[in-house]
Amino acid sequence: GDSVTQMEGPVTLSEEAFLTINCTYTATGYPSLFWYVQYPGEGLQLLLKATKADDKGSNKGFEATYRKETTSFHLEKGSVQVSDSAVYFCALKNTGGFKTIFGAGTRLFVKA
Amino acid sequence: DAGVIQSPRHEVTEMGQEVTLRCKPISGHNSLFWYRQTMMRGLELLIYFNNNVPIDDSGMPEDRFSAKMPNASFSTLKIQPSEPRDSAVYFCASSLAGQSSYNEQFFGPGTRLTVL
Repeated sequence: GDSVTQMEGPVTLSEEAFLTINCTYTATGYPSLFWYVQYPGEGLQLLLKATKADDKGSNKGFEATYRKETTSFHLEKGSVQVSDSAVYFCALKNTGGFKTIFGAGTRLFVKA
Repeated sequence: DAGVIQSPRHEVTEMGQEVTLRCKPISGHNSLFWYRQTMMRGLELLIYFNNNVPIDDSGMPEDRFSAKMPNASFSTLKIQPSEPRDSAVYFCASSLAGQSSYNEQFFGPGTRLTVL
């Protein structure tokens, strides 16, 4: 079945450092790929998405490119801020199904 | 738009008591999902509905858990009787056009349940 694997955390960075969180997936067909973010005490919210191969999703300085050849959707940000401290979930949704498959989440701590 | 609304936000109860969690999805959304999140097990999908009909309840941990969606604007998750291991944050989420791959889920703020 469909699955998502993302790097284990926690990831600890200093402010203004470069961020990469790796995500790979296994799926039949042509799923859409998502990154969700969960801030402390809140529900998950969509950060960005890409619906087909080679699409780049971007939002709030974060970017991820849908790479079908490597089945990957790595999240990047050039300069993180303390306010980016959160848990990040990679996810996929395939056509013909109702549910979204979430990765285990990666906790990010950014130090001032 | 008010987003997905969950109530209560916090619930503290004693073992053996019945607990009812409530969710109001975003108007117009036709899929609704209940999740549970704990440090040990992460985010788990419990059950989901499409057009008010339960599609898959294989994630419901045991018969003590039940969920209903009597209409498009309301769903409940009930635990009877509750046990300390049910302590978790329970999230409700909704989305549009269930089987399309494009549409993201919108999560509520969650209900933090503590069973003593």
